[in-house]
Amino acid sequence: DGGITQSPKYLFRKEGQNVTLSCEQNLNHDAMYWYRQDPGQGLRLIYYSQIVNDFQKGDIAEGYSVSREKKESFPLTVTSAQKNPTAFYLCASQTTGNGYTFGSGTRLTVV
Amino acid sequence: AQSVTQLDSQVPVFEEAPVELRCNYSSSVSVYLFWYVQYPNQGLQLLLKYLSGSTLVESINGFEAEFNKSQTSFHLRKPSVHISDTAEYFCAVSAWAGSYQLTFGKGTKLSVIP
Repeated sequence: DGGITQSPKYLFRKEGQNVTLSCEQNLNHDAMYWYRQDPGQGLRLIYYSQIVNDFQKGDIAEGYSVSREKKESFPLTVTSAQKNPTAFYLCASQTTGNGYTFGSGTRLTVV
Repeated sequence: AQSVTQLDSQVPVFEEAPVELRCNYSSSVSVYLFWYVQYPNQGLQLLLKYLSGSTLVESINGFEAEFNKSQTSFHLRKPSVHISDTAEYFCAVSAWAGSYQLTFGKGTKLSVIP
């Protein structure tokens, strides 16, 4: 079955560390997105990519970085510059003119 | 640019009662509309969508939504809710602006009371 896979489901980060969240899709979708979700704040867009080797900042890109070397993969790195990284992170993909397909999320906690 | 307003952040309702979750949008061009459902610690799942055609769209689990262009609304309804409907619901709008990126509302938490 086609779908979008996020890993790991839970991730713990020490202060000052960079961590990378994985997002892989086998839906042949061109566009991919990363969102951050905090209680009561809905979904906030971090980065998005419409095609391979191209990506754009969303509303809250500071402290995050991405790459899009393959159509199937869109990893998100949470850098030490992100001062409050504890949140639920969601990856999504989209084919033109349709809705998003979401992964099951990664919960990141700073310890 | 488009925007979405979900008018209620929380909606408590008794089991087997009807429910309406409200969603209004703004856009200067034609839109696509979506409702997503999120259960705790999970991703969002597509519940139903309006792309074109009939303004009344239905999901497989009894929810329906009606696209009302004059009132710029896409309210979600269910005539009789079940405990398992307890979740957070997100309305989203998409319109051509260089891409079909979705804009989400802030979500409505539906709590079904036994």
